[in-house]
Amino acid sequence: GQQLNQSPQSMFIQEGEDVSMNCTSSSIFNTWLWYKQDPGEGPVLLIALYKAGELTSNGRLTAQFGITRKDSFLNISASIPSDVGIYFCAGLGYNQGGKLIFGQGTELSVKP
Amino acid sequence: ETGVTQTPRHLVMGMTNKKSLKCEQHLGHNAMYWYKQSAKKPLELMFVYNFKEQTENNSVPSRFSPECPNSSHLFLHLHTLQPEDSALYLCASSQSWTSSNEQFFGPGTRLTVL
Repeated sequence: GQQLNQSPQSMFIQEGEDVSMNCTSSSIFNTWLWYKQDPGEGPVLLIALYKAGELTSNGRLTAQFGITRKDSFLNISASIPSDVGIYFCAGLGYNQGGKLIFGQGTELSVKP
Repeated sequence: ETGVTQTPRHLVMGMTNKKSLKCEQHLGHNAMYWYKQSAKKPLELMFVYNFKEQTENNSVPSRFSPECPNSSHLFLHLHTLQPEDSALYLCASSQSWTSSNEQFFGPGTRLTVL
């Protein structure tokens, strides 16, 4: 079945640094979503991407839908301690209804 | 607050117990989902209901039994579970199964099976 490869699996950074993570797929997606999950909570939607090449920002977060439709990245600029959590990418293929495929997650730790 | 609530937040049960997880969404959505989240693994889709009809059963063992009495409520009935079923169970909702890709998640129920 479809799989997403998300990297890196974990990151330890200093407050103020920029962060970049990405997801790649073996097949084409028509939607990419990025979620953040805080400890003890469910994932919260950060950014949704619907068009190849689309670049979308949400505050300090920027995500792009790769032009091949097989990848996406998420950047966080000037990280702060509350950015700590697990970030998930999720993709939706054609004719899949609402069956999102999730990456394994990137666990972000920010050192003050 | 995402508009999706789940109860209980934590549940400990023995392998012979019967319990139920509850999910409620206040978003006016028509599709609801159950996911299983185990440590270091991607979220696994278990069941999907669209307009109260089950549209997906992702080869889930029969010891998990979903119920969707209306578009706002979703239950997951549990019986004779195994220790490997211990995980975070997440409920999500979206506008519908086919027209919306944006799913909103509840906080999850942390289940421990002894």
